[in-house]
Amino acid sequence: QITLKESGPTLVKPTQTLTLTCTFSGFSLSSSGVAVGWIRQPPGKALEWLSVVYWDDDKAYSPSLEGRLTITKDTSRNQVVLTMTNMDPADTGTYFCAFRSTLGDVFDMWGQGTMVIVSS
Amino acid sequence: SSELTQDPSVSVALGQTVRITCQGDTLRTYYANWYQQKPGRAPVLVIYGKNKRPSGIPDRFSGSDSGHTASLTITGAQAEDEADYYCNSRDSSGKHWVFGRGTKLTVL
Repeated sequence: QITLKESGPTLVKPTQTLTLTCTFSGFSLSSSGVAVGWIRQPPGKALEWLSVVYWDDDKAYSPSLEGRLTITKDTSRNQVVLTMTNMDPADTGTYFCAFRSTLGDVFDMWGQGTMVIVSS
Repeated sequence: SSELTQDPSVSVALGQTVRITCQGDTLRTYYANWYQQKPGRAPVLVIYGKNKRPSGIPDRFSGSDSGHTASLTITGAQAEDEADYYCNSRDSSGKHWVFGRGTKLTVL
C-alpha cells in the first residue's frame, strides 16, 4: 500500500523560507521510472504544479517559481524535501506531494496535503 | 501556450451524461490526465493516458482526445460525482506539468 504524508510548519512569516517534507511508504524512490512531485492549491483556487524529483535524481521546477524552489530526495529515509524561499502571503495554500508510478506519466497517488499560511 | 483551458462550471441532471473539456496546444502532443477533487480532500485520479481508469474508478468515467481538446465523460452521473475536476498534462517543453483551472460539476 502506497502512502504519502506531508509535514511542515502551518504558519510562516513573509520573507521566511518554507521547508516541507514528504514521507512516503510502499515504494522506493530508487526504482526506475518513479518520481515524487509537489503541487499546491491556494484556498478556493486551482491546483498548481511546483516541482518533481525522479528516481535518477533529475529534477524540474515550475518556470514561474524556479529560483525559489529546491527539491531533494533522501532515498534511505523515504523522504522528499521541498524548500521555498522568500515566502509571500500569495503562497498561502495547501501543499500536496504526489507519487508518479510506472502506471504512466501521471501523479497517481497523493498525500492528504498540508496547509501553509503566510502571515506576519 | 502551455495553458489548459476548462469551463469554470458544468451541471448535469442525475443519471444523465456530462462531458467536461480541456483545451490546450500541448494536448496535441501529450495525453491529459483527469482528477476529481471533493472539498477538503486531495485530488483523486480518475482518467489517465489514453482513456485508462485506475483500479477502483467506476466505468462511468471515460476519456477521449481530439486535436487540442481532451474530454472527460461521465455516463450516468451520480450524486457522489459532484466535485471539481482538473485536467493535467505536460507543458510545451515536456519537462513541466500544468493543470487546468478546474471545472465545478454540479449534479442536479
